Amino acid sequence: AQSVTQLGSHVSVSEGALVLLRCNYSSSVPPYLFWYVQYPNQGLQLLLKYTSAATLVKGINGFEAEFKKSETSFHLTKPSAHMSDAAEYFCAVSAHNQGGKLIFGQGTELSVKP
Amino acid sequence: GAGVSQSPSNKVTEKGKDVELRCDPISGHTALYWYRQSLGQGLEFLIYFQGNSAPDKSGLPSDRFSAERTGGSVSTLTIQRTQQEDSAVYLCASSLSGTGEPNQPQHFGDGTRLSIL
Repeated sequence: AQSVTQLGSHVSVSEGALVLLRCNYSSSVPPYLFWYVQYPNQGLQLLLKYTSAATLVKGINGFEAEFKKSETSFHLTKPSAHMSDAAEYFCAVSAHNQGGKLIFGQGTELSVKP
Repeated sequence: GAGVSQSPSNKVTEKGKDVELRCDPISGHTALYWYRQSLGQGLEFLIYFQGNSAPDKSGLPSDRFSAERTGGSVSTLTIQRTQQEDSAVYLCASSLSGTGEPNQPQHFGDGTRLSIL
């Protein structure tokens, strides 16, 4: 069985500050890991994905995430927040033997203060 | 090219009525997924189609929910005898194949917002 836990349902940062959104996973098989972003009244947009080729994954809009097997974590970071980063972020896991269905965390709403 | 298209974007209906939600996946994508997003439950997997294989229905919450995919393309999610707890955003996604591999990620539509009065 797989699961994802996102710590913090709401994170608030100032513009220009570091963004850190936490994600821990549980998986009985090597996982595939993803971060998605959702803007109001829109679907989910892929930010980045863990391919097992490299533990540090770079995505769109300046985001990156680091896969740490020992900590079962896949935290999302961005060095400097922008107002346009305000959205809801979802961490997700899938397994190669389960048809690719995604198991999502509860989501973290990111607010960016001017 | 065109992304995943869902219709209608909003649907309001009375309790007890049946509803049909439609999803047009990206052309050439063999895998199609339905998810439900609600305040209480977050994002939940509902059902998955891969080519001509039998669908994975393990996420459907009750027998009032069903889905079909005709011709390997368009999919319809049907909810019979709707209940208030069915109110949610229903999201459809497609990918090149259903392996879940990161190089074939899922692409999401904007969803159908369903409100049951």
